[in-house]
Amino acid sequence: SQQGEEDPQALSIQEGENATMNCSYKTSINNLQWYRQNSGRGLVHLILIRSNEREKHSGRLRVTLDTSKKSSSLLITASRAADTASYFCATETNAGKSTFGDGTTLTVKP
Amino acid sequence: NAGVMQNPRHLVRRRGQEARLRCSPMKGHSHVYWYRQLPEEGLKFMVYLQKENIIDESGMPKERFSAEFPKEGPSILRIQQVVRGDSAAYFCASSDFLPGEYTEAFFGQGTRLTVV
Repeated sequence: SQQGEEDPQALSIQEGENATMNCSYKTSINNLQWYRQNSGRGLVHLILIRSNEREKHSGRLRVTLDTSKKSSSLLITASRAADTASYFCATETNAGKSTFGDGTTLTVKP
Repeated sequence: NAGVMQNPRHLVRRRGQEARLRCSPMKGHSHVYWYRQLPEEGLKFMVYLQKENIIDESGMPKERFSAEFPKEGPSILRIQQVVRGDSAAYFCASSDFLPGEYTEAFFGQGTRLTVV
């Protein structure tokens, strides 16, 4: 398996429910970032969490980082149909480059 | 301060032609990264460049692909003799990475290459 694996691969929920996506990685990191991508579009940066941080919030988004377990989670509260997209985690190491997982495809049904 | 600019946004090439993808980093950024995204997959690192230097090309295919980041002008990802399997979205990111400091890479909107 590769650095930065998201779980689950696909998630389908009703509008108003919360969505939780997980990301696991293998090596030590400087930071971890979550991105969103609508079908056929570019990346939208959501949140950056540094290796010395445990939790960050941004609006309806909450990201946690557990460096001992080498895992992160992205929680979207009170989901909306417009949240339907693919969500990627990317880990950045000292090399400066980011390693992406294959993403979680979220579908929010109205 | 404009973000990372990639052009063209969409590029169609016939098999055997050359594709040239351009990336202008954010102002003040001297580090550029290229990634490729195949359909239904995440982004895969290709190459990391600083001005006039290739730092890490561990993700670049051995043949037909090359990248440069000249002292002046945008970074160029060049694909010679394209094949259908080269069809993908190619993303560029830039940063002002300094060793030992936390940085964030900013991504462009990507170039979608279609080989027909």
